[in-house]
Amino acid sequence: RKEVEQDPGPFNVPEGATVAFNCTYSNSASQSFFWYRQDCRKEPKLLMSVYSSGNEDGRFTAQLNRASQYISLLIRDSKLSDSATYLCVVNIGGGFQKLVFGTGTRLLVSP
Amino acid sequence: GAVVSQHPSRVICKSGTSVKIECRSLDFQATTMFWYRQFPKQSLMLMATSNEGSKATYEQGVEKDKFLINHASLTLSTLTVTSAHPEDSSFYICSARGSTDTQYFGPGTRLTVL
Repeated sequence: RKEVEQDPGPFNVPEGATVAFNCTYSNSASQSFFWYRQDCRKEPKLLMSVYSSGNEDGRFTAQLNRASQYISLLIRDSKLSDSATYLCVVNIGGGFQKLVFGTGTRLLVSP
Repeated sequence: GAVVSQHPSRVICKSGTSVKIECRSLDFQATTMFWYRQFPKQSLMLMATSNEGSKATYEQGVEKDKFLINHASLTLSTLTVTSAHPEDSSFYICSARGSTDTQYFGPGTRLTVL
C-alpha cells in the first residue's frame, strides 16, 4: 500500500464549479499534513497546511480526519488559474521531518 | 517566503559524464536540505537528506556512491550524479528547511542524459 494515495484524475470542471480532492495516508504516526500545488514542469508550491479543526484560505478549505487517516481539499468558484496538479503531502516525522508526497490529482478548469 | 535557487535549471549530457547540481538558500540558513527526484507522471521521491557538516542520509534504493551529496555550508548543498546514464534522466528538486518545519523548494533541475 502506498504511504499517501490520491486519485490521479484528471478532474475536468467548468469555471465557477466546486471541486473536492481526497487523500488517504497509511502512517498513523504522521505529524503534519499539507496540500501543495505543482504546475507543469515546475517545483511544488505550498498551498496550505491542514489542521484537525479544518482550515480555510479564501476559496480553499482543507480538512483532516485523523481517525480515518483522510485529508481533503475543497476548491470553490474554480478559476482557470487553478488548473494544476494538487499534491497531498504528509510529514511522517522522525529526526529529519520527512515529507512523503502523493502522486497528485490533476485539475483542469475550462471556460 | 524564503527563496531557494537551483543551478543549472536544465542540463543535457552524454552518458558516462558527471553532473553537479547546486541548491542554495538565498535569504535564510538551511540546517537541513533535501534532494528529491520526480519521473514523469510520478510523485516526488525523496532521495536523501543532508545536514550541514555531516554525511547525507540516503533513502532505501538510492546509491550513495552514484549520487554524491555535499552540504558544506548553511546555504549550499550540491548533488553530483556520477557516471550518468539515460535512466537517470529526471527532474531533480531540492528543498531547504531553516528554523521552522516548512520546506522551501528550489525550481528544479531537468537532467537529460543522452
